[in-house]
Amino acid sequence: GAVVSQHPSRVICKSGTSVKIECRSLDFQATTMFWYRQFPKQSLMLMATSNEGSKATYEQGVEKDKFLINHASLTLSTLTVTSAHPEDSSFYICSALLAGGFDEQYFGPGTRLTVT
Amino acid sequence: EDQVTQSPEALRLQEGESSSLNCSYTVSGLRGLFWYRQDPGKGPEFLFTLYSAGEEKEKERLKATLTKKESFLHITAPKPEDSATYLCAVQAPPEYKLSFGAGTTVTVRA
Repeated sequence: GAVVSQHPSRVICKSGTSVKIECRSLDFQATTMFWYRQFPKQSLMLMATSNEGSKATYEQGVEKDKFLINHASLTLSTLTVTSAHPEDSSFYICSALLAGGFDEQYFGPGTRLTVT
Repeated sequence: EDQVTQSPEALRLQEGESSSLNCSYTVSGLRGLFWYRQDPGKGPEFLFTLYSAGEEKEKERLKATLTKKESFLHITAPKPEDSATYLCAVQAPPEYKLSFGAGTTVTVRA
């Protein structure tokens, strides 16, 4: 149980375009999802907390107009990188918190974004 | 601000050579300390949650312990398949977000 999927797993886009990444909890409901980015050989950096039916909470230094987050249902959150630039190239990982729980976050497999 | 420091950064072990990883933390009121395993190019895989000092949890060759200031992940008689980056994270109220350490990359040679 507690499986989280991400789509796509890898994406290459041109500078200036937008890219949408989906995060789905497959066998449980998640009122809260989190989005992280990870640079090579570095740890996970939290970008934002996504709550179902409300606006996302962004960490300091993360541009909310550039990284649009939507959590429209209890099983789906999306991250859209708008007007992507090469510096946005990174490994993006989502996690989901079991509804009614506060313990483990279950992580997706990650999305490798490359902006050319 | 929550701080999590993991050491060492990298650990190279011979198969069967037991060792320990350290996670030191500073947090205002610990809700839980989490250990994850991450393989290259993949998302973290949950291993353990520890809630209070003195608590211990085991899973196969791994054992996690917790004190008021640090946690240890002991790897007993490791195998090459235990090679991965091990991440430690803390969670503090009132929020549910995790603050991660930089990780320890473990390489086990046959």
